[in-house]
Amino acid sequence: NAGVTQTPKFQVLKTGQSMTLQCAQDMNHNSMYWYRQDPGMGLRLIYYSASEGTTDKGEVPNGYNVSRLNKREFSLRLESAAPSQTSVYFCASRDQQGLNTEAFFGQGTRLTVV
Amino acid sequence: GESVGLHLPTLSVQEGDNSIINCAYSNSASDYFIWYKQESGKGPQFIIDIRSNMDKRQGQRVTVLLNKTVKHLSLQIAATQPGDSAVYFCAETPNTGGFKTIFGAGTRLFVKA
Repeated sequence: NAGVTQTPKFQVLKTGQSMTLQCAQDMNHNSMYWYRQDPGMGLRLIYYSASEGTTDKGEVPNGYNVSRLNKREFSLRLESAAPSQTSVYFCASRDQQGLNTEAFFGQGTRLTVV
Repeated sequence: GESVGLHLPTLSVQEGDNSIINCAYSNSASDYFIWYKQESGKGPQFIIDIRSNMDKRQGQRVTVLLNKTVKHLSLQIAATQPGDSAVYFCAETPNTGGFKTIFGAGTRLFVKA
């Protein structure tokens, strides 16, 4: 199993450009997440999807949109990139049928906005 | 407010020694805790978890201790190896569910050969 797959791994954008980060998981998990990781800070939740067909804002949603395309895929879109969105982005999924469980993370997308 | 923090941002240990990484949390409603390991250029990877009805849990070479009285979590790594060099995160999940897991900033562990 591939687990959680993110594309692209690296991206450089100019201020104002748009792009979509793709994420797919093959573990049949219900919930999926997008985090950003900045130096010296913990992972911060941007958006999450508790189940197919639902999405909710996390801690830092401004400037982002998401789409839960199906149970496998959860994409993150930057409509007009800003330098403040330079970060490493991680997608994660979790099986939440029962008690709390661990999250499985992708390899990350390193985004630089110039 | 809610916070998960680490006492030491970096830790350097000699190969073969034991490592202890500490974490403080402030939300007494948290009932599930996880330690993740993140190697350079990779995503966080699950190491071990513990629920609030336990105070100790052991895995392979790792032990997590939970002290709810002082809201403290620690990760002990026995016989630390060069492959253990990474950033370690603690994470807490409130009893309202896993969607709002809070991650600490991380501790970087250096293992000297």
